[in-house]
Amino acid sequence: TQLLEQSPQFLSIQEGENLTVYCNSSSVFSSLQWYRQEPGEGPVLLVTVVTGGEVKKLKRLTFQFGDARKDSSLHITAAQPGDTGLYLCAGQNYGGSQGNLIFGKGTKLSVKP
Amino acid sequence: GAGVSQSPRYKVAKRGQDVALRCDPISGHVSLFWYQQALGQGPEFLTYFQNEAQLDKSGLPSDRFFAERPEGSVSTLKIQRTQKEDSAVYLCASSTSFHEQYFGPGTRLTVT
Repeated sequence: TQLLEQSPQFLSIQEGENLTVYCNSSSVFSSLQWYRQEPGEGPVLLVTVVTGGEVKKLKRLTFQFGDARKDSSLHITAAQPGDTGLYLCAGQNYGGSQGNLIFGKGTKLSVKP
Repeated sequence: GAGVSQSPRYKVAKRGQDVALRCDPISGHVSLFWYQQALGQGPEFLTYFQNEAQLDKSGLPSDRFFAERPEGSVSTLKIQRTQKEDSAVYLCASSTSFHEQYFGPGTRLTVT
């Protein structure tokens, strides 16, 4: 069974601080995706990383895929209250009938003004 | 354009009742996924359709859970004889490729 572990589970910071969320597995994934979910809504895709060692930037968010494609990190610079939400990482494998996402438990981020 | 829609948004069922949850995917999306999200957890895969074919149902927790997509568009997740442990948010996602899945807002099911 493939599992993804996210840390920390909860994070409460002040506006302007930086933070990093980690997503780790003992399994290799074809790709890894990061989602953000707000209360009462479904997850919204932020980024997909496919190549080992890949780094992608989305404004103040930086995503990295580990060289071995087993882990990933999300770094937010100068966090803002609008960044508050549940951040989920999800691994995916291709081929055959597969394509379902395996999610971590999420990191609940609260950014206080 | 319209995103993935789900109905009802909230459902309260008494233990033992049957429920049916509907998902309207984005038009033209071939793949459709159902996930279950318990409180404080990440979503967990239930089942996957490609057009009308159910290619993977390995995540369905028991034979009380049944999903269909008869015309390759709208999908229904049915839960028979609901139990308290079925209480969760049920998410539907659709995609044209494996890379990007677009999620609906979910149906929050509460079994009393």
